[in-house]
Amino acid sequence: NAGVMQNPRHLVRRRGQEARLRCSPMKGHSHVYWYRQLPEEGLKFMVYLQKENIIDESGMPKERFSAEFPKEGPSILRIQQVVRGDSAAYFCASSPVAGENEQFFGPGTRLTVL
Amino acid sequence: QQPVQSPQAVILREGEDAVINCSSSKALYSVHWYRQKHGEAPVFLMILLKGGEQKGHEKISASFNEKKQQSSLYLTASQLSYSGTYFCGTGLNSGGSNYKLTFGKGTLLTVNP
Repeated sequence: NAGVMQNPRHLVRRRGQEARLRCSPMKGHSHVYWYRQLPEEGLKFMVYLQKENIIDESGMPKERFSAEFPKEGPSILRIQQVVRGDSAAYFCASSPVAGENEQFFGPGTRLTVL
Repeated sequence: QQPVQSPQAVILREGEDAVINCSSSKALYSVHWYRQKHGEAPVFLMILLKGGEQKGHEKISASFNEKKQQSSLYLTASQLSYSGTYFCGTGLNSGGSNYKLTFGKGTLLTVNP
């Protein structure tokens, strides 16, 4: 059973470009969570999605950031008009149910904005 | 609010024990422990729930003091593979609402031969 897949693993963008980060949850998992990690910092919750629904986006910046989890295909975290402060590691996690259970993390996408 | 972890870093020799602490200013429902090696995904270690239930690996032990809003992770007879950064994540709500974890800054554990 493959784990959580994320791609790309490394992404370099120039200021003003768009970044698209993809996450395929583990088989059978319909709950996806995105976290951002800055150097020397813990993981910060961004958004929680179920298939075709955004459940909680309270941790996501109001502008330039969006997330989706379509019926078919991976979850996408989209960052428009990237700035240097967006440089970070972005982790996706999934779980079969939400709440009192383990969240399985992917290997992350390391975004560098030049 | 972000939980506070202590110590920030610890260096052990193989076979020694360590305790990592996690404190919150808010009433907690759950504490989740993960270990992350450099450049890799966080790996689940344990969940402790209000009321005493625990879910996790047999070789890892932890405690959860609900009144003090604290949790401690106990690593005994450390092995080289234990090296990494340990994060605690705290959840405030019971049941299906307990998905939003707030993580501490981590404790860097280094185990030397």
